[in-house]
Amino acid sequence: DQQVKQNSPSLSVQEGRISILNCDYTNSMFDYFLWYKKYPAEGPTFLISISSIKDKNEDGRFTVFLNKSAKHLSLHIVPSQPGDSAVYFCAASSQAGTALIFGKGTTLSVSS
Amino acid sequence: EPEVTQTPSHQVTQMGQEVILRCVPISNHLYFYWYRQILGQKVEFLVSFYNNEISEKSEIFDDQFSVERPDGSNFTLKIRSTKLEDSAMYFCASSPTSGIYNEQFFGPGTRLTVL
Repeated sequence: DQQVKQNSPSLSVQEGRISILNCDYTNSMFDYFLWYKKYPAEGPTFLISISSIKDKNEDGRFTVFLNKSAKHLSLHIVPSQPGDSAVYFCAASSQAGTALIFGKGTTLSVSS
Repeated sequence: EPEVTQTPSHQVTQMGQEVILRCVPISNHLYFYWYRQILGQKVEFLVSFYNNEISEKSEIFDDQFSVERPDGSNFTLKIRSTKLEDSAMYFCASSPTSGIYNEQFFGPGTRLTVL
């Protein structure tokens, strides 16, 4: 069963525009939500996270929004840069020190 | 900047052989994890390790898998009798005890190919 879903396998955006990556989850016990970026042949790189008590967290060009009632989160990248081209994974967990459950990922392509 | 390291980067083995994948977590972290990613699929949790014992494991982590922290720096994943379906990228991760959002930091991975 897919507890974390990323329904868009790919997204193409022009440099300078906003990239919006979406993620849905089904398990109401999840308390922590994270976004990772992954290049081919490398490990996932932590980007930004949010806990269930917040609805927004911002770090530079990256902002994560959480809508608990809809069980939905999104990652906004503004402005998008060609170097942002990678696979983005949404992940969730119920408490610190426990397993991260990953979505299937969204491949972001930013063209110049 | 501290990072998780893994060796080897690529391991090729024959079906039925034992393999040991090695990881050096970030030095002040106390939670350690193994994940795997079969080609084209999502990253899947295998096991977590804390205070010298397994704290959580998935259905994938059956009796042919084991983990160990043989010294103060290394963290290993052993697969006793490899199968073709064990071919995957294996990622080690670690996290601090005080991680606010359960941030886990991943190594570059070991590509395991079982022939």
